[in-house]
Amino acid sequence: DGGITQSPKYLFRKEGQNVTLSCEQNLNHDAMYWYRQDPGQGLRLIYYSQIVNDFQKGDIAEGYSVSREKKESFPLTVTSAQKNPTAFYLCASSLAQTGIYGYTFGSGTRLTVV
Amino acid sequence: GESVGLHLPTLSVQEGDNSIINCAYSNSASDYFIWYKQESGKGPQFIIDIRSNMDKRQGQRVTVLLNKTVKHLSLQIAATQPGDSAVYFCAENKGQAGTALIFGKGTTLSVSS
Repeated sequence: DGGITQSPKYLFRKEGQNVTLSCEQNLNHDAMYWYRQDPGQGLRLIYYSQIVNDFQKGDIAEGYSVSREKKESFPLTVTSAQKNPTAFYLCASSLAQTGIYGYTFGSGTRLTVV
Repeated sequence: GESVGLHLPTLSVQEGDNSIINCAYSNSASDYFIWYKQESGKGPQFIIDIRSNMDKRQGQRVTVLLNKTVKHLSLQIAATQPGDSAVYFCAENKGQAGTALIFGKGTTLSVSS
């Protein structure tokens, strides 16, 4: 079955550490996105990528980094510069660059700073 | 800031009632709108979408209405069931190539038996 896979489901990070969240899709989608979700809040855009080797900052990119070396993969690194990283992270992909066909979301990674 | 928002953070209904979830958007250039359903601990799931050249679109038990005059979007769920309990988000696309969807804050729908 085609889909989008995020791993791990739960992740714990010590303060000062960098951690990388994985996102893989086999839908042959061109565009991929990372959103952050805090309790009672909507989804806020961190980074997105329309094509391989290219990505753009979203509204809350500070403290995060991404890469898009393969069409199928869009990993997100939460760096030590992110002061409040505890959140639910969602990866998504879409067929068209404008997202006009809507997104397919992964099941999320819950990151907790300990 | 966000240009998409929902009028009510929570909505409680009885099983069998019809539910209406509202959303306001501020960008006149937006030409594509989507409703998503998110169950606890999961990623959002697509429910229904509508383009700006339409006023209404129906799916299975769901209807989306778009009023461009007042920039208002609504999701109607007929005969609401306990399984409909979730957070519902509206999202808009500004119609610009290379841009991402903007999501509202969500409405939590609680359905009691």
